[in-house]
Order: sequence, then structure tokens, then C-alpha cells
Amino acid sequence: QKEVEQNSGPLSVPEGAIASLNCTYSDRGSQSFFWYRQYSGKSPELIMSIYSNGDKEDGRFTAQLNKASQYVSLLIRDSQPSDSATYLCAVNEQGNTPLVFGKGTRLSVIA
Amino acid sequence: DAMVIQNPRYQVTQFGKPVTLSCSQTLNHNVMYWYQQKSSQAPKLLFHYYDKDFNNEADTPDNFQSRRPNTSFCFLDIRSPGLGDAAMYLCATSRTTGGSNEKLFFGSGTQLSVL
Repeated sequence: QKEVEQNSGPLSVPEGAIASLNCTYSDRGSQSFFWYRQYSGKSPELIMSIYSNGDKEDGRFTAQLNKASQYVSLLIRDSQPSDSATYLCAVNEQGNTPLVFGKGTRLSVIA
Repeated sequence: DAMVIQNPRYQVTQFGKPVTLSCSQTLNHNVMYWYQQKSSQAPKLLFHYYDKDFNNEADTPDNFQSRRPNTSFCFLDIRSPGLGDAAMYLCATSRTTGGSNEKLFFGSGTQLSVL
């Protein structure tokens, strides 16, 4: 069973702090990794994608990928209350199979 | 703007009464997906179409069917909704499957209630 694991949270951080969200996956051959943000009652929206080991930065967001350890993380710098949402990790496994989603981590940024 | 459109935003149906949810896209993507998402759970893939090729997930109940009459439209039919089928149904598209091209573009979802 191919799995994507996330801590469900809630993860609470104060405004202005760094929020760190983690995700592990079971398929060593996984190729592509995505972070989606989902506000309550809304559909997921893509915020980051990463395909190579290392860090990828986009504004306040940094995605980190370590294929040897099979984890991918998302850092949110200078967290804002508007960042409060559920963050879904999604992994594209080998071949042309659809993305596998984790259950998501609920982030709460406290003003 | 190019987008994925789902109608209706909210749907109420009665136990056992067939219901159809619709999705359209202007992105001209090859792949269309239907996900079911219950509260605090991951989106669960029900099926996807690569062009006209239908791919059913092994654990998708027979109660759920899908149609894709053309590139732009895809429908989810629930033949006899049960209380356990109440959920958010998400339609998504992607250019292709696999690799970086599988960035998903989601519609706004249809929240289904079963009375």
C-alpha cells in the first residue's frame, strides 16, 4: 500500500514565526512532490512543487526534499493568520499513476 | 479565465435518489479526476479519465459512475446515495499523469448532503 503520511495537527504557531510541516512517503521511486493549501470548505490550491533534492523557495514558502530519507517538508516564514489552513502533501509515484494525497496538517497561526 | 467549474456548489438529495454532479474545464487538459473528501480526511480518488480512457480505483463503490462525453465535461453519477456518501466532491484536471505535468487544478467542489 503506497502511503503518504502527515501529522494531522493542529500545529499552532504564533504570528511571525516559522511553521514547519512534514510529510513522508513510502514509494522510493516517487518523482514529484506537491504542497496544496486548503481552507475550510474550499478546494485545494497548489502552492509549491519540488522535483529534486534540496530546497526550493517561493516568497515566504520553502519546500525541502530528501529522497534518501523519503520526506518532504514545507516551511512558512513570517507566518500570518491568513496562512491558517490545512496543508496537503501530494506525491506522484512511479509511472503514470495519479497523485497520492496525505491527510493533511491543520495549521493555526495565532495573532 | 481558464478554469475548472463545478455545479452546483451545494447539492441536497434524498437517500436512494440518483444524483449527478457536473464538472467542466476550459484548460483543454487531457486528464479529469473525481475525488471524494470527507471532513478532516485526504481527498480520495474515485476515478480519472485520460482522454476517453476510464480508470476506476479498485475501492470505488459500484454506486459511483462517471461519464466524459467530451474533453470539456465530466459527470459523476451516484446511483443510490447513502448517508455515508455525504461529502465534498472535487473535480480536478491535469495536462497528463506522471511527473511534473501532474499539477492538479481543482474546481470549487460540490458539497453533497444526503437526507
